[in-house]
Amino acid sequence: DVKVTQSSRYLVKRTGEKVFLECVQDMDHENMFWYRQDPGLGLRLIYFSYDVKMKEKGDIPEGYSVSREKKERFSLILESASTNQTSMYLCASTQGQETQYFGPGTRLLVL
Amino acid sequence: KQEVTQIPAALSVPEGENLVLNCSFTDSAIYNLQWFRQDPGKGLTSLLLIQSSQREQTSGRLNASLDKSSGRSTLYIAASQPGDSATYLCAVKGTYKYIFGTGTRLKVLA
Repeated sequence: DVKVTQSSRYLVKRTGEKVFLECVQDMDHENMFWYRQDPGLGLRLIYFSYDVKMKEKGDIPEGYSVSREKKERFSLILESASTNQTSMYLCASTQGQETQYFGPGTRLLVL
Repeated sequence: KQEVTQIPAALSVPEGENLVLNCSFTDSAIYNLQWFRQDPGKGLTSLLLIQSSQREQTSGRLNASLDKSSGRSTLYIAASQPGDSATYLCAVKGTYKYIFGTGTRLKVLA
């Protein structure tokens, strides 16, 4: 059974903290994605990666960075968390033109 | 710029009804279209994937169609059940990126 896991389901952080969200897939997929989901705005792409050590900006990369040192792991980093980064963060992976699989999501609250 | 629209935003139906959810997109240059289901507070679960060369896909009580030339897809749910209550999202794939609609929130009443 295919699996995408995310390091935390819920996180509470303070403004200015550095935050790491991790995503691991066990399907040997080349492509991995980080989205955030907000009411009324839908899913918006933050960053994606189509290979190890490769990364591309999505639609809303400001305030975020990513790391992909190994094929199965894609990390999202909030360099200095702000309250407007409170959101649901979703990781996904896919291979070629095949099905995109999602993790369970991390609900982040920044106080 | 690709835009994906889902209408209606919300829908309530009695159990047993057949229903259709709509997804439209502005740029027909897509590789595929995927329908997802999302339960409250959870991640997205893939329901059906239609490649750009295909017209429809079926899985159980679900049937999805794709008309690239008109920029439309429909998700047909037969004999709806309360367990089908969820938000349904469609997403179209460009070269690397997926663009999502904002979803249709479905409630099936027992």
